[in-house]
Amino acid sequence: EPEVTQTPSHQVTQMGQEVILRCVPISNHLYFYWYRQILGQKVEFLVSFYNNEISEKSEIFDDQFSVERPDGSNFTLKIRSTKLEDSAMYFCASTLGQGRTGELFFGEGSRLTVL
Amino acid sequence: AQSVTQLGSHVSVSEGALVLLRCNYSSSVPPYLFWYVQYPNQGLQLLLKYTSAATLVKGINGFEAEFKKSETSFHLTKPSAHMSDAAEYFCAVSGDNAGNMLTFGGGTRLMVKP
Repeated sequence: EPEVTQTPSHQVTQMGQEVILRCVPISNHLYFYWYRQILGQKVEFLVSFYNNEISEKSEIFDDQFSVERPDGSNFTLKIRSTKLEDSAMYFCASTLGQGRTGELFFGEGSRLTVL
Repeated sequence: AQSVTQLGSHVSVSEGALVLLRCNYSSSVPPYLFWYVQYPNQGLQLLLKYTSAATLVKGINGFEAEFKKSETSFHLTKPSAHMSDAAEYFCAVSGDNAGNMLTFGGGTRLMVKP
Protein backbone atom coordinates (compact mmCIF):
# COMPACT_ATOMS: atom_id res chain seq x y z
CA GLU A 1 0.00 0.00 0.00
CA PRO A 2 1.39 3.41 -0.90
CA GLU A 3 2.52 5.48 2.03
CA VAL A 4 4.03 8.81 2.94
CA THR A 5 7.60 8.48 4.17
CA GLN A 6 9.51 10.97 6.29
CA THR A 7 13.17 11.37 7.15
CA PRO A 8 14.80 11.65 9.57
CA SER A 9 12.67 9.96 12.19
CA HIS A 10 14.47 11.92 14.89
CA GLN A 11 16.83 14.88 14.69
CA VAL A 12 18.61 16.68 17.48
CA THR A 13 20.00 20.12 16.72
CA GLN A 14 21.42 23.14 18.45
CA MET A 15 19.42 26.33 18.71
CA GLY A 16 20.09 28.61 15.75
CA GLN A 17 20.93 25.78 13.35
CA GLU A 18 19.09 25.13 10.11
CA VAL A 19 17.06 21.96 9.82
CA ILE A 20 15.53 20.31 6.76
CA LEU A 21 12.84 17.69 7.20
CA ARG A 22 12.11 15.54 4.20
CA CYS A 23 8.97 13.85 3.01
CA VAL A 24 8.12 11.64 0.06
CA PRO A 25 4.37 11.93 -0.54
CA ILE A 26 2.31 9.26 -2.27
CA SER A 27 3.34 9.38 -5.89
CA ASN A 28 0.11 10.47 -7.60
CA HIS A 29 -0.93 12.93 -4.91
CA LEU A 30 -1.05 16.61 -5.74
CA TYR A 31 -1.55 18.39 -2.40
CA PHE A 32 1.02 18.36 0.36
CA TYR A 33 0.94 19.48 3.97
CA TRP A 34 3.01 19.92 7.07
CA TYR A 35 1.54 19.67 10.54
CA ARG A 36 3.31 19.65 13.86
CA GLN A 37 2.60 18.46 17.38
CA ILE A 38 4.44 19.92 20.33
CA LEU A 39 4.64 17.37 23.11
CA GLY A 40 1.39 17.29 25.03
CA GLN A 41 -0.37 19.69 22.68
CA LYS A 42 -2.66 19.48 19.68
CA VAL A 43 -1.67 18.60 16.15
CA GLU A 44 -1.45 21.98 14.38
CA PHE A 45 -1.59 22.88 10.71
CA LEU A 46 1.49 24.62 9.35
CA VAL A 47 1.21 24.86 5.58
CA SER A 48 -0.35 23.39 2.46
CA PHE A 49 1.30 23.27 -0.94
CA TYR A 50 -0.04 22.75 -4.43
CA ASN A 51 1.28 23.30 -7.90
CA ASN A 52 4.65 24.41 -6.55
CA GLU A 53 3.33 27.11 -4.33
CA ILE A 54 1.95 27.59 -0.86
CA SER A 55 -1.85 27.55 -0.90
CA GLU A 56 -2.45 28.14 2.81
CA LYS A 57 -0.33 28.74 5.87
CA SER A 58 -0.99 29.24 9.54
CA GLU A 59 0.30 31.94 11.87
CA ILE A 60 2.93 29.49 13.06
CA PHE A 61 4.49 29.36 9.60
CA ASP A 62 6.55 32.53 9.82
CA ASP A 63 9.60 33.64 7.88
CA GLN A 64 11.76 31.06 9.62
CA PHE A 65 9.89 28.31 7.79
CA SER A 66 9.93 27.45 4.12
CA VAL A 67 8.74 24.54 2.00
CA GLU A 68 9.95 23.27 -1.30
CA ARG A 69 9.36 20.51 -3.77
CA PRO A 70 12.85 20.34 -5.25
CA ASP A 71 12.13 17.43 -7.56
CA GLY A 72 9.24 15.23 -8.55
CA SER A 73 9.17 13.22 -5.36
CA ASN A 74 10.45 15.09 -2.30
CA PHE A 75 8.65 17.73 -0.25
CA THR A 76 10.78 19.50 2.33
CA LEU A 77 10.26 21.72 5.33
CA LYS A 78 13.16 23.99 6.25
CA ILE A 79 13.54 25.82 9.51
CA ARG A 80 16.24 28.44 9.04
CA SER A 81 17.27 29.19 12.60
CA THR A 82 15.74 26.80 15.06
CA LYS A 83 14.41 27.90 18.42
CA LEU A 84 13.75 25.82 21.50
CA GLU A 85 10.01 26.09 20.87
CA ASP A 86 10.41 24.43 17.49
CA SER A 87 10.91 21.12 19.28
CA ALA A 88 7.98 19.00 18.13
CA MET A 89 6.88 16.07 16.01
CA TYR A 90 6.45 17.21 12.42
CA PHE A 91 4.00 15.32 10.21
CA CYS A 92 3.90 15.43 6.46
CA ALA A 93 0.65 14.57 4.68
CA SER A 94 -0.58 14.33 1.12
CA THR A 95 -3.87 13.96 -0.67
CA LEU A 96 -4.93 13.33 -4.23
CA GLY A 97 -7.54 16.04 -4.60
CA GLN A 98 -8.66 19.21 -2.97
CA GLY A 99 -11.89 19.64 -1.13
CA ARG A 100 -12.99 19.47 2.46
CA THR A 101 -13.88 15.80 2.34
CA GLY A 102 -10.58 14.44 1.17
CA GLU A 103 -8.58 12.01 3.24
CA LEU A 104 -5.12 13.13 4.23
CA PHE A 105 -2.46 10.43 4.30
CA PHE A 106 0.10 11.10 7.01
CA GLY A 107 3.68 10.00 7.42
CA GLU A 108 5.08 8.63 10.66
CA GLY A 109 6.53 11.94 11.67
CA SER A 110 9.95 13.46 12.26
CA ARG A 111 10.75 14.30 15.85
CA LEU A 112 12.82 17.47 16.14
CA THR A 113 14.61 18.24 19.39
CA VAL A 114 16.23 21.66 19.69
CA LEU A 115 18.79 22.05 22.47
CA ALA B 1 -13.44 29.38 12.64
CA GLN B 2 -13.22 25.74 13.59
CA SER B 3 -12.33 24.06 16.87
CA VAL B 4 -12.45 20.57 18.33
CA THR B 5 -12.59 19.48 21.95
CA GLN B 6 -11.91 15.93 23.02
CA LEU B 7 -13.04 15.22 26.55
CA GLY B 8 -10.61 12.99 28.39
CA SER B 9 -6.97 12.90 27.39
CA HIS B 10 -6.78 9.32 28.70
CA VAL B 11 -9.46 6.63 28.62
CA SER B 12 -8.99 3.16 30.06
CA VAL B 13 -11.31 0.24 29.33
CA SER B 14 -11.19 -3.49 29.87
CA GLU B 15 -10.87 -5.81 26.93
CA GLY B 16 -14.36 -6.56 25.63
CA ALA B 17 -15.89 -3.41 27.10
CA LEU B 18 -17.52 -0.57 25.19
CA VAL B 19 -15.21 2.13 23.91
CA LEU B 20 -16.54 5.70 23.90
CA LEU B 21 -14.28 8.58 22.92
CA ARG B 22 -15.88 11.99 22.99
CA CYS B 23 -15.51 14.77 20.46
CA ASN B 24 -17.31 18.09 20.28
CA TYR B 25 -16.76 20.58 17.52
CA SER B 26 -17.39 24.16 16.60
CA SER B 27 -17.61 25.17 12.97
CA SER B 28 -18.67 28.28 11.07
CA VAL B 29 -19.76 26.14 8.12
CA PRO B 30 -21.42 22.71 7.87
CA PRO B 31 -18.70 20.51 9.33
CA TYR B 32 -16.83 17.65 7.81
CA LEU B 33 -15.45 15.54 10.63
CA PHE B 34 -12.74 12.93 10.89
CA TRP B 35 -11.33 10.47 13.38
CA TYR B 36 -7.68 9.52 13.02
CA VAL B 37 -5.78 6.89 14.99
CA GLN B 38 -2.10 6.88 15.79
CA TYR B 39 -0.52 3.61 16.85
CA PRO B 40 2.85 3.77 18.62
CA ASN B 41 5.65 4.92 16.32
CA GLN B 42 3.30 5.26 13.37
CA GLY B 43 1.64 8.10 11.50
CA LEU B 44 -1.96 9.22 11.67
CA GLN B 45 -4.37 6.83 9.95
CA LEU B 46 -7.94 7.69 8.99
CA LEU B 47 -10.53 5.67 10.91
CA LEU B 48 -13.67 7.25 9.47
CA LYS B 49 -15.13 10.49 8.23
CA TYR B 50 -18.44 12.30 8.13
CA THR B 51 -19.11 14.30 4.98
CA SER B 52 -22.83 15.14 5.27
CA ALA B 53 -24.21 11.82 4.08
CA ALA B 54 -25.35 9.29 6.70
CA THR B 55 -25.07 10.56 10.26
CA LEU B 56 -23.87 7.17 11.50
CA VAL B 57 -20.52 6.47 9.97
CA LYS B 58 -18.77 3.13 10.06
CA GLY B 59 -15.01 2.93 9.91
CA ILE B 60 -12.23 0.42 10.03
CA ASN B 61 -11.58 -2.03 12.86
CA GLY B 62 -15.20 -2.01 14.04
CA PHE B 63 -15.31 1.66 15.00
CA GLU B 64 -18.23 3.93 14.25
CA ALA B 65 -19.20 7.50 15.02
CA GLU B 66 -22.47 9.37 15.02
CA PHE B 67 -22.80 12.97 13.92
CA LYS B 68 -25.27 14.85 16.14
CA LYS B 69 -25.76 18.38 14.96
CA SER B 70 -27.93 19.38 17.92
CA GLU B 71 -25.16 18.38 20.30
CA THR B 72 -22.28 19.44 18.02
CA SER B 73 -20.78 16.04 18.72
CA PHE B 74 -19.06 13.27 16.80
CA HIS B 75 -18.30 10.64 19.41
CA LEU B 76 -16.36 7.50 18.46
CA THR B 77 -17.57 4.12 19.68
CA LYS B 78 -16.70 0.45 19.44
CA PRO B 79 -18.87 -2.20 21.09
CA SER B 80 -16.03 -4.41 22.29
CA ALA B 81 -12.48 -3.22 22.88
CA HIS B 82 -9.52 -5.29 21.77
CA MET B 83 -5.99 -5.04 23.05
CA SER B 84 -4.88 -3.92 19.60
CA ASP B 85 -7.11 -0.82 19.90
CA ALA B 86 -4.66 0.77 22.33
CA ALA B 87 -3.55 3.94 20.56
CA GLU B 88 -4.07 7.69 20.44
CA TYR B 89 -7.23 8.90 18.74
CA PHE B 90 -7.67 12.33 17.20
CA CYS B 91 -10.88 14.01 16.17
CA ALA B 92 -10.58 16.69 13.48
CA VAL B 93 -12.79 19.10 11.57
CA SER B 94 -12.16 20.34 8.06
CA GLY B 95 -11.54 23.98 7.33
CA ASP B 96 -14.07 26.44 6.03
CA ASN B 97 -12.60 26.70 2.58
CA ALA B 98 -11.83 24.30 -0.22
CA GLY B 99 -8.52 23.29 1.24
CA ASN B 100 -7.91 20.21 3.35
CA MET B 101 -6.69 22.08 6.39
CA LEU B 102 -7.71 20.11 9.46
CA THR B 103 -8.17 21.41 12.96
CA PHE B 104 -7.42 18.67 15.47
CA GLY B 105 -8.55 18.01 18.98
CA GLY B 106 -6.03 17.33 21.69
CA GLY B 107 -6.21 13.58 21.29
CA THR B 108 -7.35 10.79 23.59
CA ARG B 109 -5.04 7.97 24.56
CA LEU B 110 -7.00 4.72 24.80
CA MET B 111 -5.63 2.05 27.10
CA VAL B 112 -7.09 -1.47 27.06
CA LYS B 113 -6.67 -3.65 30.12
CA PRO B 114 -6.66 -7.43 29.82
